[in-house]
Amino acid sequence: AQSVSQHNHHVILSEAASLELGCNYSYGGTVNLFWYVQYPGQHLQLLLKYFSGDPLVKGIKGFEAEFIKSKFSFNLRKPSVQWSDTAEYFCAVNAGSGNTGKLIFGQGTTLQVKP
Amino acid sequence: KAGVTQTPRYLIKTRGQQVTLSCSPISGHRSVSWYQQTPGQGLQFLFEYFSETQRNKGNFPGRFSGRQFSNSRSEMNVSTLELGDSALYLCASSLISGSQDEQYFGPGTRLTVT
Repeated sequence: AQSVSQHNHHVILSEAASLELGCNYSYGGTVNLFWYVQYPGQHLQLLLKYFSGDPLVKGIKGFEAEFIKSKFSFNLRKPSVQWSDTAEYFCAVNAGSGNTGKLIFGQGTTLQVKP
Repeated sequence: KAGVTQTPRYLIKTRGQQVTLSCSPISGHRSVSWYQQTPGQGLQFLFEYFSETQRNKGNFPGRFSGRQFSNSRSEMNVSTLELGDSALYLCASSLISGSQDEQYFGPGTRLTVT
């Protein structure tokens, strides 16, 4: 069965530190990859997505992610975090053939940024 | 443009009862997906509707059902509630039913089963 694994469940960083959140998926075919973020008290919202092309994708608020096909990974990065980045981050995969919106989510990573 | 709205926002039910949750997608969106979020299992896909047809279904018992109306609004129903059904139920809408479509999430309905 398809699955998504996020290795870090709870990350604590100081402001200005660099961030990397790991995400691995298990599916051998074509995948579409997403990172969603849930700020305290807010809806899930899309940070960035990868479908094809340049494996390094840039999203909102200075986030980027790199797709490494050989490692089945899609890690999220930010060079310098801010207190406002405190949130829960979800990696998600859509492994359908095209006509499906089914997203498989990782367990999520809670990021706490200390001012 | 108004976002995805879900009603009610909070709900308390007793074991054995049934419940209906409602979702209004963003105007113009034709696909609605439902997810269950719990601390233990995380976010799990329930089902997806597009043009009033169920396109996909997750691994949930038959007590969980849904439907979509001609105006794209969707409802999900859970019958014979169990304590384990306590969760945040999220609805997401997208323009069409595609694997590359961005899904826009609503605030969720917090269901507590006692």
